[in-house]
Amino acid sequence: QVQLVQSGAEVKKPGASVKVSCKASGYTFTGYYMHWVRQAPGQGLEWMGWINPNSGGTNYAQKFQGRVTMTRDTSISTAYMELSRLRSDDTAVYYCARDHGDYVGGNYYYYGMDVWGQGTTVTVSS
Amino acid sequence: QSVLTQPPSASGTPGQRVTISCSGSSSNIGSNTVNWYQQLPGTAPKLLIYSNNQRPSGVPDRFSGSKSGTSASLAISGLQSEDEADYYCAAWDDSLNGPFFGTGTKVTVL
Repeated sequence: QVQLVQSGAEVKKPGASVKVSCKASGYTFTGYYMHWVRQAPGQGLEWMGWINPNSGGTNYAQKFQGRVTMTRDTSISTAYMELSRLRSDDTAVYYCARDHGDYVGGNYYYYGMDVWGQGTTVTVSS
Repeated sequence: QSVLTQPPSASGTPGQRVTISCSGSSSNIGSNTVNWYQQLPGTAPKLLIYSNNQRPSGVPDRFSGSKSGTSASLAISGLQSEDEADYYCAAWDDSLNGPFFGTGTKVTVL
């Protein structure tokens, strides 16, 4: 079955970096963009960016530009999200999610995220 | 700063119909389609509605979506106890150049 399995919980000190992995199975990894979304405790969902696993191209939310790096390893169908210079307000559950968009007539149409990982809790604390 | 505004809470008794609104702007709902997610306690979000009113395979037809102008709504008919969850609207935002999520609505089944 189609699934995304993420790496385990992390505890980091302020100023450090964290790298979260997301292993895809049950579908062609390079056929779908991969998003990263985070959710702070008791808060809503926040989009961080996406990666095209086929080309490696990325699109980061402006808020995270310069601090986030999304990469992939197609040989093991795994996407990665690395966030640097961590602060206490980066404490959140981080999700990877498969894009549900489509290209029609050369134009891309976004239709949400249809498969989600289980989430990775990242705690930033001194 | 883009915002998709939802009521913080909604409630109903089993069997009732509950509607959740989502108010946006011309840069998101006004020019792109709307998606809805259900997040049960302690779990990852689940895509409930895409392209304003389409249900992914496996989503009961009790859930329906609509959009008009810069607003959208999600309706849950025949409310069930397992529908108790947080619900988020979302749409691509041309200013953000990415998807933007609503503030979320907690649905309680009384």
